[in-house]
Amino acid sequence: DSGVTQTPKHLITATGQRVTLRCSPRSGDLSVYWYQQSLDQGLQFLIQYYNGEERAKGNILERFSAQQFPDLHSELNLSSLELGDSALYFCASSGEAAGGGGYTFGSGTRLTVV
Amino acid sequence: EDQVTQSPEALRLQEGESSSLNCSYTVSGLRGLFWYRQDPGKGPEFLFTLYSAGEEKEKERLKATLTKKESFLHITAPKPEDSATYLCAVQAYDYKLSFGAGTTVTVRA
Repeated sequence: DSGVTQTPKHLITATGQRVTLRCSPRSGDLSVYWYQQSLDQGLQFLIQYYNGEERAKGNILERFSAQQFPDLHSELNLSSLELGDSALYFCASSGEAAGGGGYTFGSGTRLTVV
Repeated sequence: EDQVTQSPEALRLQEGESSSLNCSYTVSGLRGLFWYRQDPGKGPEFLFTLYSAGEEKEKERLKATLTKKESFLHITAPKPEDSATYLCAVQAYDYKLSFGAGTTVTVRA
């Protein structure tokens, strides 16, 4: 157990639907990062939050949004889902804004859009 | 745009056969270079962070080195449990972490 908790582990939904993925960071970590991993794209950085504030943005689609709450857990909202959104979504956390100590990843949420 | 290229894509080794993985990168300003190990269906597991050229880090049978343009992950006398995908990532000064596609290592007993 890495200390980063992601729920749900698996999600199957239809095109056009909206889903919410949840992440609880490791105790004491203030930064949360979201990544998408698909077979043909590898790990793609989506967005980072640090202590509730958006810190960095990657290739996140406009249909996707995220937030980090006062208790530091984070949610990634995916809407108007398309088949191509099927992927593993990972959350990671670190104890500092720069993540110099290395990110700790959760075990991921596998999203299947049918 | 920051780019990370890993080679080879796949590596099949006999137990005890040492080898090296390459990670070449271009980044606007390097804050750090990371190595991760990922097992199938699991999240990446942090191995090393390297910050400047010439730096080396070791952990059991793994040794990571860094130059201004590339990093190497040396696997010495690998065992079957070292089989995994090894990911390299660079962090730029804007905090973004960019990953390479990974090298899948298979070690046969």
